[in-house]
Amino acid sequence: KQEVTQIPAALSVPEGENLVLNCSFTDSAIYNLQWFRQDPGKGLTSLLLIQSSQREQTSGRLNASLDKSSGRSTLYIAASQPGDSATYLCAVSVYTGTASKLTFGTGTRLQVTL
Amino acid sequence: KAGVTQTPRYLIKTRGQQVTLSCSPISGHRSVSWYQQTPGQGLQFLFEYFSETQRNKGNFPGRFSGRQFSNSRSEMNVSTLELGDSALYLCASSLITSAYTDTQYFGPGTRLTVL
Repeated sequence: KQEVTQIPAALSVPEGENLVLNCSFTDSAIYNLQWFRQDPGKGLTSLLLIQSSQREQTSGRLNASLDKSSGRSTLYIAASQPGDSATYLCAVSVYTGTASKLTFGTGTRLQVTL
Repeated sequence: KAGVTQTPRYLIKTRGQQVTLSCSPISGHRSVSWYQQTPGQGLQFLFEYFSETQRNKGNFPGRFSGRQFSNSRSEMNVSTLELGDSALYLCASSLITSAYTDTQYFGPGTRLTVL
């Protein structure tokens, strides 16, 4: 059974700091890994998708890496801003015989302070 | 292009009642997935529909059911509500061109409170 863990559970950093969020998964047989952002009481916004054959993806100040063999992914946020405050979730896409589905981590709650 | 829409946004029910939630996917998307989010269990997969067929199901009791219509809109039904069913129910749609590149787009969710 695929299990996804995110560390730390919560993080508070001052504005302008670079930071790294961690995600680990137990089964390397994945199609892709996605990072999402969730604002309080809202739905999820897709940030980055890394295919299983890729090593990293970049979008603006965000960079996500994937090491499938070790079951790890990191999300790097450069020059953090107060607007980055949210919960960040990673999810792996696994195949269950007929279709793929997402298995989510428990999330990292990020607060960027002024 | 309009995003994924879910109705209603908020719902209050009492134990024993049943509820139906609706999800309209992004135009052209044929896959719709449902997830339950609670503080204790996090985000858990409920089921996925593609072309009106349930292709995948999570580990939830039979009280949770769903269906998809020919226009890809989907509904989720929960019968005999329990207090533990209080959660944010999220719907996601995807284009399904490749399992490797498939991105799921989430709606704002329906907040269900069971009293």
